[in-house]
Amino acid sequence: GAVVSQHPSRVICKSGTSVKIECRSLDFQATTMFWYRQFPKKSLMLMATSNEGSKATYEQGVEKDKFLINHASLTLSTLTVTSAHPEDSSFYICSASLRGDTQYFGPGTRLTVL
Amino acid sequence: GQQVMQIPQYQHVQEGEDFTTYCNSSTTLSNIQWYKQRPGGHPVFLIQLVKSGEVKKQKRLTFQFGEAKKNSSLHITATQTTDVGTYFCAGPNAGNNRKLIWGLGTSLAVNP
Repeated sequence: GAVVSQHPSRVICKSGTSVKIECRSLDFQATTMFWYRQFPKKSLMLMATSNEGSKATYEQGVEKDKFLINHASLTLSTLTVTSAHPEDSSFYICSASLRGDTQYFGPGTRLTVL
Repeated sequence: GQQVMQIPQYQHVQEGEDFTTYCNSSTTLSNIQWYKQRPGGHPVFLIQLVKSGEVKKQKRLTFQFGEAKKNSSLHITATQTTDVGTYFCAGPNAGNNRKLIWGLGTSLAVNP
């Protein structure tokens, strides 16, 4: 149990385009999902908490208009990187809580912006 | 603000040697969690410790939670190449306990 999928696994896009990343909880319902960003050989940086049916809560310094989060159902949250630039290139990982605060992670999406 | 510190940042060991990573929180935690991230992979939940002084074992891995519930350790006995990866500890955010505060991780390299 507690399987989280993420799509796409890799994406390469041109500067200025938008990219949508999907995060799905496959065998459980997740009222809360989390979006992280991870730079090479670095720790996880929490970007935002995605709440089903309500607005996401963004961490300090994360632009909500740049990183749009939608959590329309109990099994799906999406992160859209709008007008992507090379500095947005990173590893984006989502996670979901099955119970309590233990988190189960998706496999991640490696974004490269040219 | 609330912080979780982890040492060492990197550790290289010879296969068969033991390895320990330490985690220290600036605040008392209701629980501490450990995750492992293989190179190129995503974090995978290993274990959660809840009780003061708790010790749990998973095969060659031994996890401890300090008496004051502010520190924890992960000890691997007789490392193998399959142990390679980054080990993260994390504790609940005091203001929102569904969020986790993450340590910076300890990257373990094992020479065969």
